[in-house]
Amino acid sequence: TQLLEQSPQFLSIQEGENLTVYCNSSSVFSSLQWYRQEPGEGPVLLVTVVTGGEVKKLKRLTFQFGDARKDSSLHITAAQPGDTGLYLCAGARFSGGYNKLIFGAGTRLAVHP
Amino acid sequence: GAGVSQSPSNKVTEKGKDVELRCDPISGHTALYWYRQSLGQGLEFLIYFQGNSAPDKSGLPSDRFSAERTGGSVSTLTIQRTQQEDSAVYLCASSLVLHNEQFFGPGTRLTVL
Repeated sequence: TQLLEQSPQFLSIQEGENLTVYCNSSSVFSSLQWYRQEPGEGPVLLVTVVTGGEVKKLKRLTFQFGDARKDSSLHITAAQPGDTGLYLCAGARFSGGYNKLIFGAGTRLAVHP
Repeated sequence: GAGVSQSPSNKVTEKGKDVELRCDPISGHTALYWYRQSLGQGLEFLIYFQGNSAPDKSGLPSDRFSAERTGGSVSTLTIQRTQQEDSAVYLCASSLVLHNEQFFGPGTRLTVL
């Protein structure tokens, strides 16, 4: 059972479209991170959200942390082929003296020219 | 080096053989993490090191898995008597201090025949 559920699992869209990816849990996290991973590479951190209700913008990407710190969303405006990749959310829980990251299964995004 | 490096990048082995996977973290990073990523799954936490100590080994799937870190730098993940279900991408990450951004290596793709 995934502690963090990501949806959709796959998304195939045309360049210029908008999209939203969701990351949901029944657990509270101290913070939540979004990563992007390309084939043959490790995940790269995009953003960390910490405060419930927080919204962060990174160019065309908007990240939101739910008020209860249990869920998050990533919205991409006017998607570009360069946005193609696997988007992973990871919730941080303090356990054993450190913040342990729990990853969702990811959303695989394909943006076609 | 400039980033986290892992070797080998690909490893094909026969069932029952032992394998060693190596991780070179970013110089000066005290925390080091091992994850496993199976097809269609998110990252599964295996173990983390603070310096040379491994306070949390809870993610190791079985006693066939072990890891060590020497000199607060290089880490080796060893899988003994490999099984086909061990096939996955093994990712290593490091961070400057606990709680900070984790920088991932490119991973080692392990295939057990």
